[in-house]
Amino acid sequence: GNSVTQMEGPVTLSEEAFLTINCTYTATGYPSLFWYVQYPGEGLQLLLKATKADDKGSNKGFEATYRKETTSFHLEKGSVQVSDSAVYFCALSGPPSGGSYIPTFGRGTSLIVHP
Amino acid sequence: DAGITQSPRYKITETGRQVTLMCHQTWSHSYMFWYRQDLGHGLRLIYYSAAADITDKGEVPDGYVVSRSKTENFPLTLESATRSQTSVYFCASSQLAGETQYFGPGTRLLVL
Repeated sequence: GNSVTQMEGPVTLSEEAFLTINCTYTATGYPSLFWYVQYPGEGLQLLLKATKADDKGSNKGFEATYRKETTSFHLEKGSVQVSDSAVYFCALSGPPSGGSYIPTFGRGTSLIVHP
Repeated sequence: DAGITQSPRYKITETGRQVTLMCHQTWSHSYMFWYRQDLGHGLRLIYYSAAADITDKGEVPDGYVVSRSKTENFPLTLESATRSQTSVYFCASSQLAGETQYFGPGTRLLVL
């Protein structure tokens, strides 16, 4: 079945530091890949997504590239802010060619940014 | 412009009681989902629905019941609450399978 593995947290950074949160997946075919963010006390919201290999999703300074060859979708940001402190979830939804459409989420990575 | 709402936002109940968590979306999305979020487990899918009157089990369905008589509503019922069901419950919807999910704000449930 499908699975998503993301790095354990918490990740603690100083403001303006570079951020990478690793995400790798296992799935048949060509799933869509997502990063969701959850701020304290709120539900998840979409941060960015990519639907095919080599696509780059981007939003609010965050980027992730769909790498089919390494089955990865690592999240990056060049300069984090205190307001980026949140939990980040990598997720996939299966392909049309026989895979499952039921979303699969990673366990989440907590990011703490200090001033 | 309500989007997706959940009620109640907070609930305290006792072991053995029946509890219903409500979820309502205003977009007429086909798919709706119920998740629970617990420390160390991330998000776990309880039930999902592809359309009105079509529901299916997720990863952790035991002890829960769902129904979907209308497209916009997807209530989750704990038939006889147990302490292990203390959690934060999130409802989500998506227009089509495999597309972006939109999450509600969550219901924090404490079972004493």
